[in-house]
Formats: sequence, structure tokens, C-alpha cells
Amino acid sequence: QKEVEQDPGPLSVPEGAIVSLNCTYSNSAFQYFMWYRQYSRKGPELLMYTYSSGNKEDGRFTAQVDKSSKYISLFIRDSQPSDSATYLCAMSEGGNTPLVFGKGTRLSVIA
Amino acid sequence: SAVISQKPSRDICQRGTSLTIQCQVDSQVTMMFWYRQQPGQSLTLIATANQGSEATYESGFVIDKFPISRPNLTFSTLTVSNMSPEDSSIYLCSVGTDYNSPLHFGNGTRLTVT
Repeated sequence: QKEVEQDPGPLSVPEGAIVSLNCTYSNSAFQYFMWYRQYSRKGPELLMYTYSSGNKEDGRFTAQVDKSSKYISLFIRDSQPSDSATYLCAMSEGGNTPLVFGKGTRLSVIA
Repeated sequence: SAVISQKPSRDICQRGTSLTIQCQVDSQVTMMFWYRQQPGQSLTLIATANQGSEATYESGFVIDKFPISRPNLTFSTLTVSNMSPEDSSIYLCSVGTDYNSPLHFGNGTRLTVT
């Protein structure tokens, strides 16, 4: 079992839909959780950063962490065509351990 | 966040040659890392570039194949040596304040080896 599992998609939704992106993980020591957005031919761009469990909201984006289920989610409200990209989850134990990334979910928002 | 510039943005190289990728940051950063992103795969950490000392390599990556330099707090290079088609990938430079902080990435170098 890989440390971080993420459905690669592709996921196609109509404009205005609520999008739910998810990752599961096996390492209970993970405590820092991130979501990145990557447009084609660009580097990953940090969207959300959370520590431990709970929710964090930033505009149309909400990140949720459920450590008991080893499950994290990113919700995008009122999705726009400009949200079309690959979304990567990443997590780490902290200390001197590096980030572990999911494979990314490719999202298309259709106008 | 820091502005990260990577050069070249893409290259096509012949088998057996080497390519050096540069990463320049517009401010001093503590941590610099090199990642590889292969199609359909997760970002994989190659090594941590340490200022003034040898890089720290992850399992499966060795200095002879991926020599790294970091002469100061704003600049690093990654060399892909004796390339084979299996080295075709996107190579990304990233920076952070420490291992617990989120990383910021450059736009990557898209390498094709023929």
C-alpha cells in the first residue's frame, strides 16, 4: 500500500459545481497537510496548508483533515473554468522528514 | 512567497550526455530541494541541497548520477549525468523555511532524452 493514495481522475464537472478532491494515507504520523494546484507546464502552487485535524477555509476553497480516518479533502465551491488543473495533496510528519505527495487528480471545469 | 526561476525550461538531450539545471531564488531561503515528476507519478524527492556542504540524497538517487551544488542561499544546480531515456521527466526546484513549512516550486525543467 502506497503511503498516499489519490484518485487520478480525470474529473469533469460543470461550471458552478462543488468539487470534492480526496486523499487517503497510511502513515498515522503525518501531521502537516497541503494541497497544491498545478496548471499545465507550470510548477505546483500552494493552495492550502493545515496542521493536524480540522477545517480551513480560504475563499472558495475548504480543506478538511480527518486524522482518525486518515483522510483529507479539498472542496471547491462555485467551480470556475480557471480551476481546471491537477490538484496534488502532500503531507509530512514534520521534523526532518520530507513531504510525501499524491499522484494528483486532474480536474476539468466545463463552462 | 519567493520567486523561483529555473533554467532551462525545457531541453531535448542525447543519450549519454549531461544537463545542468539552474535554480535561482529572489530571496535567501533555508531549504532547497530537487524533485522529479514523471508522467502519472507522484513528485519524488531527489535530494536536499545543503548550502556549503554535500547534498542529502533520498533512497534510489546517488550523487554520481545527480550531482547538486548550492554555493549560497539563493542558488542551486542539479546535473543529470550520463542520461538515458528513463531520465526523461520534469525536474522541479523547491524552497522552504524548514521541513515543516509548505514548499514553493519553480516551473520546472521538462527534459526529454532521445
